[in-house]
Amino acid sequence: AQSVTQLGSHVSVSEGALVLLRCNYSSSVPPYLFWYVQYPNQGLQLLLKYTSAATLVKGINGFEAEFKKSETSFHLTKPSAHMSDAAEYFCAVSGGSGGYNKLIFGAGTRLAVHP
Amino acid sequence: NAGVTQTPKFQVLKTGQSMTLQCAQDMNHEYMSWYRQDPGMGLRLIHYSVGAGITDQGEVPNGYNVSRSTTEDFPLRLLSAAPSQTSVYFCASSYFDGRGPGNTIYFGEGSWLTVV
Repeated sequence: AQSVTQLGSHVSVSEGALVLLRCNYSSSVPPYLFWYVQYPNQGLQLLLKYTSAATLVKGINGFEAEFKKSETSFHLTKPSAHMSDAAEYFCAVSGGSGGYNKLIFGAGTRLAVHP
Repeated sequence: NAGVTQTPKFQVLKTGQSMTLQCAQDMNHEYMSWYRQDPGMGLRLIHYSVGAGITDQGEVPNGYNVSRSTTEDFPLRLLSAAPSQTSVYFCASSYFDGRGPGNTIYFGEGSWLTVV
């Protein structure tokens, strides 16, 4: 079955610093990959998605992610963190033995941004 | 645009009680699903549907029933609530691209359920 591993349940950066949130996946077929953001007491908002087009995917709020098949990774980056980026981020995958109907989420990474 | 609407937003149940979480979408999406979110575990898929009359199990289906009689509605039923079902529940919908929810998945705002 497909799975997602997010390295680091908590990440802390300074305002203006690079944001790097790590995601590795497993899937036996070409996957769809997603990053979602969740602000406190709110639902999930799609940041970006990869569906077998360009390997570098640009999303909202200055975030981007690169699909690397050889590394089975889909890390999320932002060149300069802003205080408003503080939230929980989820990587998700569909495909593999679970099929594209099932979106499987990682455990999440909580991003803290300090002045 | 209403998008995906979940009700109720908050609910407290006693062990053994039953209830239904309602989910409705107004985007004519074929694909709908229910997730539960627990601390440190991300979101886990409970049940999903690829169209009216079609449902299937996700990762954690035990203790939950669903039905899909219309395109718009996808209710989640807890037949006999247990404290382990205390969680935040999210309903989601999207177009179905022939393989799965490849397009943008829209989430509801969540339903906080406590079972005592």
